[in-house]
Amino acid sequence: LAKTTQPISMDSYEGQEVNITCSHNNIATNDYITWYQQFPSQGPRFIIQGYKTKVTNEVASLFIPADRKSSTLSLPRVSLSDTAVYYCLVGDGGYQKVTFGTGTKLQVIP
Amino acid sequence: GAGVSQTPSNKVTEKGKYVELRCDPISGHTALYWYRQSLGQGPEFLIYFQGTGAADDSGLPNDRFFAVRPEGSVSTLKIQRTERGDSAVYLCASSGTYDGTHGTEAFFGQGTRLTVV
Repeated sequence: LAKTTQPISMDSYEGQEVNITCSHNNIATNDYITWYQQFPSQGPRFIIQGYKTKVTNEVASLFIPADRKSSTLSLPRVSLSDTAVYYCLVGDGGYQKVTFGTGTKLQVIP
Repeated sequence: GAGVSQTPSNKVTEKGKYVELRCDPISGHTALYWYRQSLGQGPEFLIYFQGTGAADDSGLPNDRFFAVRPEGSVSTLKIQRTERGDSAVYLCASSGTYDGTHGTEAFFGQGTRLTVV
């Protein structure tokens, strides 16, 4: 299973763009990269998923370089409600034995 | 329902007792997962069902833990002779069938907070 490494915590001011980078050096050919957001006392919530290059949806962008050994989640103009833990996951898309790691705790400051 | 439902939301039990945690997945989702999350940690995989069968139960910590999904929908996680170390939030997730060609999204419930005293 590909392991992931991401910063333990980050602080950002409201309105700024936040980029969280995840390293996954042992990513396999069939693996997808998925990011989840988790608020206290709630289950994780899917944010975005990608395989290569760039993926964008209404809440975030995901940048994946050609070697796929890392990925960057970009949150545009964060607000206080974006304060949460963000998890980077790598797996074959079927979610068997997906390892969440400890995630990145993002604190948005007014 | 619209999302994954877990009951109860909170459960306090005495050491040594038996508990059952229930998960109602999203209708039509064939895959169902149980995770356990301790304070300050990410979710830890326990077991994965595809339909009625446990496709992978390698994450279950020991034989006190068991899970079933008899009709391919609702699942129950059963813990015998509970220990204080079993205290955690137990999360259930479901997803559609993974066809092997593209990724899937897993939908998580709110979790059941189990406290063993």
